Amino acid sequence: NAGVTQTPKFQVLKTGQSMTLQCAQDMNHEYMSWYRQDPGMGLRLIHYSVGAGITDQGEVPNGYNVSRSTTEDFPLRLLSAAPSQTSVYFCASTPAGGSSGNTIYFGEGSWLTVV
Amino acid sequence: GQNIDQPTEMTATEGAIVQINCTYQTSGFNGLFWYQQHAGEAPTFLSYNVLDGLEEKGRFSSFLSRSKGYSYLLLKELQMKDSASYLCAVRRGSTLGRLYFGRGTQLTVWP
Repeated sequence: NAGVTQTPKFQVLKTGQSMTLQCAQDMNHEYMSWYRQDPGMGLRLIHYSVGAGITDQGEVPNGYNVSRSTTEDFPLRLLSAAPSQTSVYFCASTPAGGSSGNTIYFGEGSWLTVV
Repeated sequence: GQNIDQPTEMTATEGAIVQINCTYQTSGFNGLFWYQQHAGEAPTFLSYNVLDGLEEKGRFSSFLSRSKGYSYLLLKELQMKDSASYLCAVRRGSTLGRLYFGRGTQLTVWP
């Protein structure tokens, strides 16, 4: 059971390039989300999904697109990378039912640098 | 946005007890979470409170007062490995995957 898997772990992009951060979970969780973490800012929600085919914006969605074609996968696309998108990105998933308040399980993170 | 406040840094010695406070202002409160995050790693779940009172789990306990918008995480018998950032997060409404995080409290445990 791999949990939440993110790739790549590290990436350097040039300003204006596009890329996709991949996220997959094998726990059959309905809810998936993307957060970014910046020094002194805490984790902030970019986009989230409550199920396959359904996505919505979080606190900081600008410059990012998502889609949820399957329950397992939730890729995050940077359309035209900017230095302000240099950050650590965490994908997360949450079951719809269960104990512990339906806690969020995080992937290992993707360190992105835009130069 | 949500106002979630916690101290930026705390220090303590091995074997001691430390309390990390978190205050929040939000509508539609639906639970408060504490996560631990070591440098360079993902946050890991510590505790969850949705009703007032104390939840105890081994060396860690978490308390919630909804009327005061206040929670604390209590760490007992501190160990060096407890040096980490502790994140307070609040859930609003029914969207389970959507949390609002504080900026984290960096705890350093000295020998």
